[in-house]
Amino acid sequence: EPEVTQTPSHQVTQMGQEVILRCVPISNHLYFYWYRQILGQKVEFLVSFYNNEISEKSEIFDDQFSVERPDGSNFTLKIRSTKLEDSAMYFCASTLGTGIYEQYFGPGTRLTVT
Amino acid sequence: KQEVTQIPAALSVPEGENLVLNCSFTDSAIYNLQWFRQDPGKGLTSLLLIQSSQREQTSGRLNASLDKSSGRSTLYIAASQPGDSATYLCAVKDSGTYKYIFGTGTRLKVLA
Repeated sequence: EPEVTQTPSHQVTQMGQEVILRCVPISNHLYFYWYRQILGQKVEFLVSFYNNEISEKSEIFDDQFSVERPDGSNFTLKIRSTKLEDSAMYFCASTLGTGIYEQYFGPGTRLTVT
Repeated sequence: KQEVTQIPAALSVPEGENLVLNCSFTDSAIYNLQWFRQDPGKGLTSLLLIQSSQREQTSGRLNASLDKSSGRSTLYIAASQPGDSATYLCAVKDSGTYKYIFGTGTRLKVLA
């Protein structure tokens, strides 16, 4: 069964450093998402991406964040200058379409900022 | 602003029991609702998706219902097993948006 994959599974970085989290969505899916989950808290929406542009973003997704689909398979989340409060599990998700379609989530990348 | 609440926060039951997990949302103008399972330190596994026009969906021992007008959904698990132990999350997608808004989850433990 097709699945969303994410790399790395765990990333440790120092405050102020740039990180790139990578995702490979399910191959025929068209809509891509990033969510995050701070330890013990709710899963929170960050951004959705369709047709090579951001379709929606949350207030969390400020200028420090960016997303890109550099080729036909990868979808990346970049954090330019990490802060301690960026420590969280980051999940990538994809759907075939919008509306009635299920979102499929990857296993997540645990980001630890020290 | 849509808010999603799940009750109870934690539940511990003996194996074999039927159980109900609750999810409530404040704005009934949703497009669909999805139930997920999350194992510790892992990603989210989709269990059931209910569209706003549907009343329920079933998959194996799982049955999810939706009452949009009252802002509620329930996930019914029949004949619970220790392997069902996980956190169960519900998430709603509002009309006109792309994002899912998640509840805080119910942490289920099924005792052998």
